[in-house]
Amino acid sequence: AQKVTQAQTEISVVEKEDVTLDCVYETRDTTYYLFWYKQPPSGELVFLIRRNSFDEQNEISGRYSWNFQKSTSSFNFTITASQVVDSAVYFCALSEALITGGGNKLTFGTGTQLKVEL
Amino acid sequence: DAGVTQSPTHLIKTRGQQVTLRCSPKSGHDTVSWYQQALGQGPQFIFQYYEEEERQRGNFPDRFSGHQFPNYSSELNVNALLLGDSALYLCASSLFEGRDTQYFGPGTRLTVL
Repeated sequence: AQKVTQAQTEISVVEKEDVTLDCVYETRDTTYYLFWYKQPPSGELVFLIRRNSFDEQNEISGRYSWNFQKSTSSFNFTITASQVVDSAVYFCALSEALITGGGNKLTFGTGTQLKVEL
Repeated sequence: DAGVTQSPTHLIKTRGQQVTLRCSPKSGHDTVSWYQQALGQGPQFIFQYYEEEERQRGNFPDRFSGHQFPNYSSELNVNALLLGDSALYLCASSLFEGRDTQYFGPGTRLTVL
């Protein structure tokens, strides 16, 4: 069974600080996908990134960066120079690649509430 | 390019009633998934539809049922509502081919009194 753990329930930082959100996953599959989504107070989940299990290269997109380490089953997300607009709940999610019938459900963690203050 | 749309935005029902939620996928997408998100929790997978068939189902009772139409839009039906069904219901669309990324709509907030 798949499982995603986000141990940090809530993180508070001051604007311009760097912050890392942790994600640890469990799966028996060798092929899978990992995701990060952002959920602002409006409620809509906004897609941030998708990685497949064969691509361990770290990725950077502006102030966002992701560190994928299969050896520790972790997919951590760092925001550099945080801004108030980064305040939201961030979810890490996992999907298997090979499912009989074709479904690719997402298994989410419980989320990390990030509060960025002035 | 319209994203995923859901209706209604908010809904208030009483225990025992039935409810239907609607979702239109992002243009070009053929697969719709539904998730339930209780307050303070991560979304939980309900089911996924492709080619008008339920392709995968999460751990939800038969009171939860769905449908996908030829234009790829979808409905989620919940019968015999319980107080515990109060949640944000999220619809996501994707392309079936290649296990594509799921893009979410704004959700429907259901309150059961």
